[in-house]
Amino acid sequence: SAVISQKPSRDICQRGTSLTIQCQVDSQVTMMFWYRQQPGQSLTLIATANQGSEATYESGFVIDKFPISRPNLTFSTLTVSNMSPEDSSIYLCSVAIGVSYNEQFFGPGTRLTVL
Amino acid sequence: AQSVTQLGSHVSVSEGALVLLRCNYSSSVPPYLFWYVQYPNQGLQLLLKYTSAATLVKGINGFEAEFKKSETSFHLTKPSAHMSDAAEYFCAVTGAGGTSYGKLTFGQGTILTVHP
Repeated sequence: SAVISQKPSRDICQRGTSLTIQCQVDSQVTMMFWYRQQPGQSLTLIATANQGSEATYESGFVIDKFPISRPNLTFSTLTVSNMSPEDSSIYLCSVAIGVSYNEQFFGPGTRLTVL
Repeated sequence: AQSVTQLGSHVSVSEGALVLLRCNYSSSVPPYLFWYVQYPNQGLQLLLKYTSAATLVKGINGFEAEFKKSETSFHLTKPSAHMSDAAEYFCAVTGAGGTSYGKLTFGQGTILTVHP
């Protein structure tokens, strides 16, 4: 299994500012992802955080808005840039391990409110 | 490509009644399927998963799901609902291969309400 922690757990930010969310895993993992859960909505994959290379973004998400770092196999950050109220969401880090990456674990999430 | 459809955004049952939450999927490669539960203001908890072994999968808290390839379904059931089962439930799919490795596509979620 994998234990994932995220910082901060929640934050309230002003529009136009940026917030960096940290994700720490208790073991080395290859596959790490960032998801967004907007209020009352399901989870949507933002990007795959690749160690040593640029993140791979899903349709509708761009690096300028959501820059991601992955300096090693246990840590990643997601920055939400130039925030607007529409960015108010829960941001979750996840990892996939095991045979064919069929074990999925999620962090507790970061609840972001943008005023 | 993969997608998930959860039929019914809200399901209401009486305590002790059968719980049935429906999930249909689409996947271009053999799927791995998951059910997660999310309690209010909490993170995601894995209930159970199908990864190409037994088609009837048993999970935590008395839940189980059956993978039916012919129907592209993975419905979640529990014989007797408990008040503590009230939560939001998400079905998710990932592909056992291709570019979708490890990437989860979620359904829209079903909110389960349990009445006394």
